[in-house]
Amino acid sequence: QLLLQESGPGLVKPSATLSLTCTVSGGSISSSSYYWAWIRQPPGKGLEWIGSIYYSGSPYYNPSLKSRVTISVDTSNNEFSLKLTSVTAADTAVYYCARVSVGDYVEFDHWGQGTLVIVSS
Amino acid sequence: QSVLTQPPSASGTPGQRVTISCSGSSSNIGSNTVNWYQQLPGTAPKLLIYNNNQRPSGVPDRFSGSKSGTSASLAISGLQSEDEADYYCAAWDDSLNGRAVFGGGTQLTVL
Repeated sequence: QLLLQESGPGLVKPSATLSLTCTVSGGSISSSSYYWAWIRQPPGKGLEWIGSIYYSGSPYYNPSLKSRVTISVDTSNNEFSLKLTSVTAADTAVYYCARVSVGDYVEFDHWGQGTLVIVSS
Repeated sequence: QSVLTQPPSASGTPGQRVTISCSGSSSNIGSNTVNWYQQLPGTAPKLLIYNNNQRPSGVPDRFSGSKSGTSASLAISGLQSEDEADYYCAAWDDSLNGRAVFGGGTQLTVL
C-alpha cells in the first residue's frame, strides 16, 4: 500500500523559507509511471497546485509561485522536498504531497494526510 | 478567483441525484481531460473520477463524470449522507507554459 507522509516545521516566520519533505513508502519514487507533486490548501479555501517533479529531476512549477519555489527529489531516501522562499501570511496552508500519473498531469491518485504550516512571527 | 468555475454549494436529500458543474475554457477543459476529487471533512482529497468519466477502483458507480466542450459535470445518484463533502474539479491548463488548475470547490450538503 502506497503511503505518503509530509514532514517539516509547522510554524515559519515571515520572510523565511518554508521547507517540507514527503517520504514515500510502499512504492518506489523512481517509478517511470509517476510524477510527484505538492499541493496546498489555505484554511477554508480551495486547492492550489504548487509544482511537480519526475524521479530524474525536471520539475515544473505553478507560474504564480515559480520565482519562490524549488522542488527536488532524493531517490536514495525515496523522498521529495519543497522549498518556498520569502513566505508571508498568505502562504499559511495545509500542504499536501501527492503522486501524479505521467499520463495526466492532474491525476493525483495518492495523497499524504497533509501538514499545516502557519506563517507567523 | 479560480480558473475553473464551480458552484460554491449544492444540496440534496438521501436517494436523490445531484450534479455539480465545472466550467472552463479552451485552454483547459476544452483541450484536456477533467478529474474530480472528493474531500471529506478534515481529510485529504481523494481521486473520485479521472479521464473525464473513469472511476478508480473502490469508487461506487453512483459517481459518474462527463465532459462536453469547455464544461464538465459530476453526478451523484442515490445520494447518501456519507457523500457530504467538498468536491473539486481539476484540469491541465495549456496557458502560461502549462499548469494544473482546480475549481474553487463545491460543498455538498445532504439534507
